[in-house]
Amino acid sequence: SSELTQDPAVSVALGQTVRIPCHGDSLRTYYAGWYQQKPGQAPLLVIYGKDNRPSGIPDRFSGSSSGNTASLTITGAQAEDEADYYCTSRDSSGNHLKVFGGGTKLTVL
Amino acid sequence: EVQLVESGGGLVQPGGSLRLSCAASGFIFDSYEMNWVRQTPGKGLEWVSYISGSGSTIYYADSVKGRFTISRDNAKNSLSLQMNSLRVEDTAVYYCAREDGGEVGFWFDYWGQGTLVTVSS
Repeated sequence: SSELTQDPAVSVALGQTVRIPCHGDSLRTYYAGWYQQKPGQAPLLVIYGKDNRPSGIPDRFSGSSSGNTASLTITGAQAEDEADYYCTSRDSSGNHLKVFGGGTKLTVL
Repeated sequence: EVQLVESGGGLVQPGGSLRLSCAASGFIFDSYEMNWVRQTPGKGLEWVSYISGSGSTIYYADSVKGRFTISRDNAKNSLSLQMNSLRVEDTAVYYCAREDGGEVGFWFDYWGQGTLVTVSS
Protein backbone atom coordinates (compact mmCIF):
# COMPACT_ATOMS: atom_id res chain seq x y z
CA SER A 1 0.00 0.00 0.00
CA SER A 2 1.00 3.63 -0.51
CA GLU A 3 2.79 5.50 2.24
CA LEU A 4 3.03 9.19 3.00
CA THR A 5 6.20 10.40 4.73
CA GLN A 6 6.45 13.48 6.93
CA ASP A 7 9.27 14.87 9.05
CA PRO A 8 8.44 14.11 12.71
CA ALA A 9 9.18 17.63 13.95
CA VAL A 10 9.80 21.11 12.63
CA SER A 11 10.35 24.41 14.41
CA VAL A 12 9.89 27.99 13.29
CA ALA A 13 10.54 31.36 14.87
CA LEU A 14 7.51 33.47 15.58
CA GLY A 15 6.53 35.43 12.49
CA GLN A 16 8.72 33.44 10.13
CA THR A 17 7.73 31.10 7.31
CA VAL A 18 7.73 27.33 7.60
CA ARG A 19 7.14 24.65 5.00
CA ILE A 20 5.93 21.20 6.01
CA PRO A 21 6.46 18.59 3.28
CA CYS A 22 4.68 15.31 2.68
CA HIS A 23 6.18 12.72 0.33
CA GLY A 24 4.44 9.86 -1.42
CA ASP A 25 3.88 8.27 -4.80
CA SER A 26 0.13 8.91 -4.64
CA LEU A 27 0.82 12.64 -4.57
CA ARG A 28 1.85 12.49 -8.22
CA THR A 29 -1.82 11.78 -8.97
CA TYR A 30 -3.87 13.16 -6.10
CA TYR A 31 -3.85 16.37 -4.12
CA ALA A 32 -3.23 16.09 -0.42
CA GLY A 33 -5.51 17.21 2.36
CA TRP A 34 -3.85 18.92 5.34
CA TYR A 35 -5.07 18.81 8.94
CA GLN A 36 -4.06 20.66 12.08
CA GLN A 37 -4.50 18.91 15.40
CA LYS A 38 -3.99 20.48 18.80
CA PRO A 39 -3.82 18.41 22.02
CA GLY A 40 -7.16 17.00 23.05
CA GLN A 41 -8.90 18.19 19.90
CA ALA A 42 -10.15 16.57 16.73
CA PRO A 43 -8.22 17.25 13.52
CA LEU A 44 -9.15 20.41 11.61
CA LEU A 45 -8.97 20.68 7.83
CA VAL A 46 -6.70 23.59 6.87
CA ILE A 47 -5.87 22.99 3.18
CA TYR A 48 -7.60 20.90 0.51
CA GLY A 49 -7.35 20.40 -3.23
CA LYS A 50 -4.79 22.38 -5.18
CA ASP A 51 -4.57 25.22 -2.60
CA ASN A 52 -7.91 25.87 -0.94
CA ARG A 53 -8.68 26.97 2.60
CA PRO A 54 -11.92 26.20 4.39
CA SER A 55 -13.84 29.12 5.77
CA GLY A 56 -12.19 30.47 8.91
CA ILE A 57 -8.68 29.27 8.13
CA PRO A 58 -6.23 32.21 8.04
CA ASP A 59 -4.67 33.05 4.70
CA ARG A 60 -1.19 32.50 6.13
CA PHE A 61 -1.86 28.80 5.41
CA SER A 62 -1.24 27.68 1.84
CA GLY A 63 -0.63 24.48 -0.07
CA SER A 64 1.45 23.43 -3.04
CA SER A 65 2.47 20.29 -4.86
CA SER A 66 5.33 19.17 -7.09
CA GLY A 67 6.04 15.65 -8.22
CA ASN A 68 5.66 13.29 -5.29
CA THR A 69 5.70 16.06 -2.68
CA ALA A 70 2.87 18.11 -1.26
CA SER A 71 3.69 20.99 1.05
CA LEU A 72 1.87 23.03 3.64
CA THR A 73 3.32 26.51 4.11
CA ILE A 74 2.61 28.83 6.99
CA THR A 75 3.71 32.38 6.18
CA GLY A 76 4.21 34.39 9.34
CA ALA A 77 3.71 31.61 11.88
CA GLN A 78 1.82 32.50 15.03
CA ALA A 79 1.98 30.95 18.49
CA GLU A 80 -1.45 29.40 17.97
CA ASP A 81 -0.15 27.49 14.95
CA GLU A 82 1.86 25.19 17.23
CA ALA A 83 0.24 21.82 16.60
CA ASP A 84 0.56 18.50 14.83
CA TYR A 85 0.00 18.60 11.08
CA TYR A 86 -1.06 15.60 9.01
CA CYS A 87 -1.32 15.06 5.28
CA THR A 88 -3.63 12.53 3.67
CA SER A 89 -4.21 11.19 0.20
CA ARG A 90 -5.62 8.28 -1.70
CA ASP A 91 -3.67 5.09 -2.05
CA SER A 92 -2.11 5.12 -5.51
CA SER A 93 -2.39 1.39 -6.02
CA GLY A 94 -5.94 1.75 -7.31
CA ASN A 95 -7.67 0.05 -4.41
CA HIS A 96 -9.46 3.18 -3.13
CA LEU A 97 -7.86 3.06 0.28
CA LYS A 98 -6.75 6.17 2.11
CA VAL A 99 -3.51 6.95 3.91
CA PHE A 100 -2.26 9.51 6.41
CA GLY A 101 1.25 10.76 6.84
CA GLY A 102 2.86 10.15 10.21
CA GLY A 103 2.40 13.77 11.21
CA THR A 104 4.73 16.71 11.84
CA LYS A 105 4.89 18.40 15.21
CA LEU A 106 5.33 22.13 14.65
CA THR A 107 6.95 24.15 17.41
CA VAL A 108 6.75 27.94 17.23
CA LEU A 109 9.74 29.46 19.02
CA GLU B 1 -24.20 23.88 11.33
CA VAL B 2 -22.62 20.55 10.52
CA GLN B 3 -22.29 18.30 13.56
CA LEU B 4 -20.96 14.80 13.97
CA VAL B 5 -21.34 13.18 17.39
CA GLU B 6 -19.80 9.79 18.12
CA SER B 7 -20.89 7.45 20.88
CA GLY B 8 -20.45 3.85 21.95
CA GLY B 9 -16.83 3.79 23.05
CA GLY B 10 -15.69 2.11 26.22
CA LEU B 11 -13.62 -0.64 27.80
CA VAL B 12 -13.79 -4.10 26.24
CA GLN B 13 -11.76 -7.27 26.68
CA PRO B 14 -9.63 -8.68 23.86
CA GLY B 15 -11.81 -10.73 21.55
CA GLY B 16 -14.88 -8.73 22.47
CA SER B 17 -17.16 -6.54 20.40
CA LEU B 18 -18.29 -2.96 20.41
CA ARG B 19 -20.54 -0.86 18.18
CA LEU B 20 -19.78 2.79 17.56
CA SER B 21 -22.34 5.26 16.29
CA CYS B 22 -22.07 8.69 14.74
CA ALA B 23 -25.09 11.00 14.65
CA ALA B 24 -24.95 13.52 11.82
CA SER B 25 -26.83 16.78 11.49
CA GLY B 26 -26.73 20.05 9.59
CA PHE B 27 -26.26 18.60 6.12
CA ILE B 28 -27.90 16.24 3.62
CA PHE B 29 -26.44 13.03 5.02
CA ASP B 30 -26.95 10.72 2.05
CA SER B 31 -25.15 13.14 -0.25
CA TYR B 32 -21.84 12.57 1.50
CA GLU B 33 -19.38 9.75 1.81
CA MET B 34 -18.37 9.00 5.37
CA ASN B 35 -15.32 7.51 7.03
CA TRP B 36 -13.99 6.25 10.35
CA VAL B 37 -10.51 7.36 11.35
CA ARG B 38 -8.72 6.33 14.54
CA GLN B 39 -5.84 7.63 16.60
CA THR B 40 -3.87 5.55 19.04
CA PRO B 41 -3.11 7.56 22.20
CA GLY B 42 -0.08 9.72 21.55
CA LYS B 43 0.27 8.50 17.98
CA GLY B 44 -0.84 9.47 14.50
CA LEU B 45 -4.05 9.17 12.52
CA GLU B 46 -5.06 5.95 10.78
CA TRP B 47 -7.86 5.65 8.25
CA VAL B 48 -10.16 2.74 9.13
CA SER B 49 -13.12 2.52 6.76
CA TYR B 50 -15.15 4.29 4.05
CA ILE B 51 -18.78 4.10 2.96
CA SER B 52 -20.41 5.80 0.00
CA GLY B 53 -23.49 7.98 0.31
CA SER B 54 -25.85 5.19 -0.68
CA GLY B 55 -23.95 2.61 1.34
CA SER B 56 -23.31 0.49 -1.73
CA THR B 57 -19.51 0.92 -1.73
CA ILE B 58 -17.40 0.09 1.29
CA TYR B 59 -13.65 -0.13 1.91
CA TYR B 60 -11.56 -1.13 4.90
CA ALA B 61 -7.98 -0.78 5.99
CA ASP B 62 -6.15 -4.10 5.95
CA SER B 63 -5.70 -3.86 9.73
CA VAL B 64 -9.47 -4.18 10.35
CA LYS B 65 -10.74 -6.06 7.30
CA GLY B 66 -12.83 -9.06 8.28
CA ARG B 67 -13.33 -7.79 11.84
CA PHE B 68 -15.00 -4.39 11.46
CA THR B 69 -18.20 -3.56 9.55
CA ILE B 70 -19.20 -0.05 8.54
CA SER B 71 -22.84 0.80 7.82
CA ARG B 72 -25.14 3.78 7.59
CA ASP B 73 -28.84 4.50 8.05
CA ASN B 74 -29.67 7.47 5.85
CA ALA B 75 -33.19 7.69 7.22
CA LYS B 76 -31.73 8.27 10.68
CA ASN B 77 -28.66 10.28 9.58
CA SER B 78 -26.49 7.76 11.36
CA LEU B 79 -23.15 6.06 10.70
CA SER B 80 -22.02 2.93 12.55
CA LEU B 81 -18.93 0.81 13.02
CA GLN B 82 -19.39 -2.72 14.34
CA MET B 83 -16.08 -3.90 15.78
CA ASN B 84 -15.62 -7.62 16.46
CA SER B 85 -12.64 -9.70 17.56
CA LEU B 86 -11.10 -6.63 19.12
CA ARG B 87 -7.37 -6.58 19.80
CA VAL B 88 -5.26 -4.54 22.20
CA GLU B 89 -3.88 -2.67 19.20
CA ASP B 90 -7.39 -1.44 18.33
CA THR B 91 -7.25 0.82 21.39
CA ALA B 92 -7.71 4.33 20.03
CA VAL B 93 -9.92 7.36 19.76
CA TYR B 94 -12.31 6.74 16.88
CA TYR B 95 -13.51 9.67 14.82
CA CYS B 96 -16.23 9.79 12.21
CA ALA B 97 -15.39 12.16 9.39
CA ARG B 98 -17.33 13.54 6.46
CA GLU B 99 -15.60 13.26 3.11
CA ASP B 100 -15.66 15.68 0.23
CA GLY B 101 -13.62 15.89 -2.95
CA GLY B 102 -13.50 14.30 -6.35
CA GLU B 103 -11.32 12.64 -8.92
CA VAL B 104 -8.14 14.51 -7.99
CA GLY B 105 -8.33 14.14 -4.26
CA PHE B 106 -10.44 13.99 -1.16
CA TRP B 107 -10.55 15.63 2.20
CA PHE B 108 -12.28 15.18 5.54
CA ASP B 109 -14.00 18.50 6.02
CA TYR B 110 -15.85 17.77 9.26
CA TRP B 111 -14.89 15.55 12.17
CA GLY B 112 -16.65 14.41 15.29
CA GLN B 113 -15.12 14.88 18.73
CA GLY B 114 -14.10 11.22 18.90
CA THR B 115 -14.95 8.31 21.17
CA LEU B 116 -12.33 6.30 23.08
CA VAL B 117 -12.17 2.55 22.68
CA THR B 118 -9.94 0.71 25.13
CA VAL B 119 -9.22 -2.97 24.58
CA SER B 120 -7.70 -4.47 27.70
CA SER B 121 -8.06 -7.42 30.02
